[in-house]
Amino acid sequence: AQSVTQLGSHVSVSEGALVLLRCNYSSSVPPYLFWYVQYPNQGLQLLLKYTTGATLVKGINGFEAEFKKSETSFHLTTPSAHMSDAAEYFCAVSTPSGSARQLTFGSGTQLTVLP
Amino acid sequence: DSGVTQTPKHLITATGQRVTLRCSPRSGDLSVYWYQQSLDQGLQFLIQYYNGEERAKGNILERFSAQQFPDLHSELNLSSLELGDSALYFCASSVETGGSIQYFGAGTRLSVL
Repeated sequence: AQSVTQLGSHVSVSEGALVLLRCNYSSSVPPYLFWYVQYPNQGLQLLLKYTTGATLVKGINGFEAEFKKSETSFHLTTPSAHMSDAAEYFCAVSTPSGSARQLTFGSGTQLTVLP
Repeated sequence: DSGVTQTPKHLITATGQRVTLRCSPRSGDLSVYWYQQSLDQGLQFLIQYYNGEERAKGNILERFSAQQFPDLHSELNLSSLELGDSALYFCASSVETGGSIQYFGAGTRLSVL
């Protein structure tokens, strides 16, 4: 079975600082990996995804993530935090489940951006 | 706007009651997924339908059931409601059942009093 661990349920950074949100996964087969963002009172929005190919994936809003197989990690970064980045971020892994693929989410990381 | 529509946005009901949550997927999407988000359990996959057929099952209680209709909209039925069922219920849709992106609706917030 697959699982996702997000280290740090809360992360605070100053505006303009680097953001690093950590995600480690466990999967017995090559996974598909996703980062979603949830703004208050809204649904989840896809930031970026990794399936195959290039391990550095660029997403929306200046975010990127690197798939590191040896470390079973898929950390999310952005070089300069904006106030509008304040939200909850979820890492997810998708692995085959019969003929389908099941998405398993981490517990989420709440990002606070301080002025 | 993801293109996935969930109704109602809020639902307040009492213990022991039954409710139905509705989801309309994005145009062209054949797969519908249901998730429950609560403070103590996080975001949990409940069930998936693909073109009218159940395709995968997660941590869905026996008191809960779902179906996908010929027009591809889906309903999640929750019965014999308990206080612990209070949560945000999300629907997501995708083109097919493989590794395609899931697009999420805005959710239905269920409060059981």
